[in-house]
Amino acid sequence: DQQVKQNSPSLSVQEGRISILNCDYTNSMFDYFLWYKKYPAEGPTFLISISSIKDKNEDGRFTVFLNKSAKHLSLHIVPSQPGDSAVYFCAASAYTGTASKLTFGTGTRLQVTL
Amino acid sequence: ETGVTQTPRHLVMGMTNKKSLKCEQHLGHNAMYWYKQSAKKPLELMFVYSLEERVENNSVPSRFSPECPNSSHLFLHLHTLQPEDSALYLCASSRGLDSASTDTQYFGPGTRLTVL
Repeated sequence: DQQVKQNSPSLSVQEGRISILNCDYTNSMFDYFLWYKKYPAEGPTFLISISSIKDKNEDGRFTVFLNKSAKHLSLHIVPSQPGDSAVYFCAASAYTGTASKLTFGTGTRLQVTL
Repeated sequence: ETGVTQTPRHLVMGMTNKKSLKCEQHLGHNAMYWYKQSAKKPLELMFVYSLEERVENNSVPSRFSPECPNSSHLFLHLHTLQPEDSALYLCASSRGLDSASTDTQYFGPGTRLTVL
């Protein structure tokens, strides 16, 4: 049973436009959500996160929105740049008191075209 | 450069070999993690260590044996692996203890393992 789902395996966006990546989760115990970016042959790089007590977090061109009632979060990238082309993973965290347990989605491959 | 390094970056081993993967974090973190990423599957958490103590073993077969000698180093000892164990093995670290619920994990570059 996949607790974190990214239903779009791929997305193509023109340079300068907005990229919107979506993620759904099922477990209400998740209280912290993260987006990671991954290039081939590299580990995931932390991009942006949001706590469950917020509904929006912004960092430069990246904004994450959280809708707790719908158990849905999205990552907006605007304007999109060719260097943003990568696989984006959504992750949901449950903190244990001494460490965190991340559950990942399967990823969305973003292609930003010229 | 995330402050988490992994060696080797690539490893090819036979099913009867014994090898080890090494992870080192330079971030002063208290928690370290091993993940496995197989083709077409999400990252799977394998082990969690907090202050050198294993706090989570996610039903991982005993042919994978982790070791955390101190809070900066994490090893994954491999023996009698199967071809289906071929995957990208990722190490991560996080502050852990004093992070409350906003504990962010930072990943190393991974070791691409091929079992023949």
